[in-house]
Amino acid sequence: SQTIHQWPATLVQPVGSPLSLECTVEGTSNPNLYWYRQAAGRGLQLLFYSVGIGQISSEVPQNLSASRPQDRQFILSSKKLLLSDSGFYLCAWQTQGNEKLFFGSGTQLSVL
Amino acid sequence: AQTVTQSQPEMSVQEAETVTLSCTYDTSENNYYLFWYKQPPSRQMILVIRQEAYKQQNATENRFSVNFQKAAKSFSLKISDSQLGDTAMYFCAFISDSNYQLIWGAGTKLIIKP
Repeated sequence: SQTIHQWPATLVQPVGSPLSLECTVEGTSNPNLYWYRQAAGRGLQLLFYSVGIGQISSEVPQNLSASRPQDRQFILSSKKLLLSDSGFYLCAWQTQGNEKLFFGSGTQLSVL
Repeated sequence: AQTVTQSQPEMSVQEAETVTLSCTYDTSENNYYLFWYKQPPSRQMILVIRQEAYKQQNATENRFSVNFQKAAKSFSLKISDSQLGDTAMYFCAFISDSNYQLIWGAGTKLIIKP
């Protein structure tokens, strides 16, 4: 069966520090991968999606970047965090050609 | 542009009651899918129910059912015999056959009171 792992669960970082959040999927090949951000009590905002290795599409211009170095690995990064980068980050995967989206457990990022 | 609207920011009902959450959407596509996702306090996003636009029959999953009105572009979620564990944020979402990216509503916070 397919599983998705996202870590860390919580992260507290100072302003100006770098960021690396990792997401891996098991049990499937060539998935579509997504990074979402959710502000407290709000809906989901799509940040990046990827349909294959090295293929990244950005939905929102921002201080963040994403990379897909391997088929089932998706990384969210920043060189210098801003206060406004605080939020709940969710990774998700989807089989290509299938409409269902499955989510990781999320990372609560607090930038202080 | 495709949009999803949830007009109820928050709702609360007594345990065992039935509650209906509203969702409307806008699209010019003919083939698409609609979802309800649940996000409990743990913040794990969980798929509750899914509806294919080409199916007239409303989807049902145990206590959860939908009222899908394609002409009206309405997709409401009914929770029967509500339980304390149903307390969560509920998000309505849309995806079209031509673009497999979910469009999300803003969410409805549902509180089940004992």
